[in-house]
Amino acid sequence: KAGVTQTPRYLIKTRGQQVTLSCSPISGHRSVSWYQQTPGQGLQFLFEYFSETQRNKGNFPGRFSGRQFSNSRSEMNVSTLELGDSALYLCASSSGISSTDTQYFGPGTRLTVL
Amino acid sequence: DAKTTQPNSMESNEEEPVHLPCNHSTISGTDYIHWYRQLPSQGPEYVIHGLTSNVNNRMASLAIAEDRKSSTLILHRATLRDAAVYYCIGGGADGLTFGKGTHLIIQP
Repeated sequence: KAGVTQTPRYLIKTRGQQVTLSCSPISGHRSVSWYQQTPGQGLQFLFEYFSETQRNKGNFPGRFSGRQFSNSRSEMNVSTLELGDSALYLCASSSGISSTDTQYFGPGTRLTVL
Repeated sequence: DAKTTQPNSMESNEEEPVHLPCNHSTISGTDYIHWYRQLPSQGPEYVIHGLTSNVNNRMASLAIAEDRKSSTLILHRATLRDAAVYYCIGGGADGLTFGKGTHLIIQP
């Protein structure tokens, strides 16, 4: 079974721009979660989608948004980019039936904001 | 999610057992304890999880204290490939709350 894939793997943007990151979950998984990882703050939960509905949201400003499509693929968008948004963005998928379900992480998208 | 406390780093020798401690004194009675690890330049990967009883799988063992305020991840025979940051997480119902984790260094 193919793992979680994320595109693009690397991205460079400038302040004020917006960016869209994509995540394809493991086949059959209906839950997709997004995380931001920075050296200073570590891994922080952004949001989780299950069957096209946002189920949980972390403590991030409204510039961070996401959506999930009927095939469970997910995108996250960051508008009006700031320097502090430079980070590794990780996507994880799970079957989503239970909170104890194992989450499978992708390799991440490295975003650099100049 | 429960707040967890882990040592910043630990060092062990190859082929020796490793015991990684975690304190989660605020964990609720229904919160599971999850362990993930992150190898260099990779996303985190699942290691093990448990509620009350000790758990074993092919990667590791999880020993949970009777009062559930702490747990220990046990790698029975560390290899160089086990060098990673290990995260202990209490809860998970609203997204995994990762702390700083323990940076495990394995010496050959």
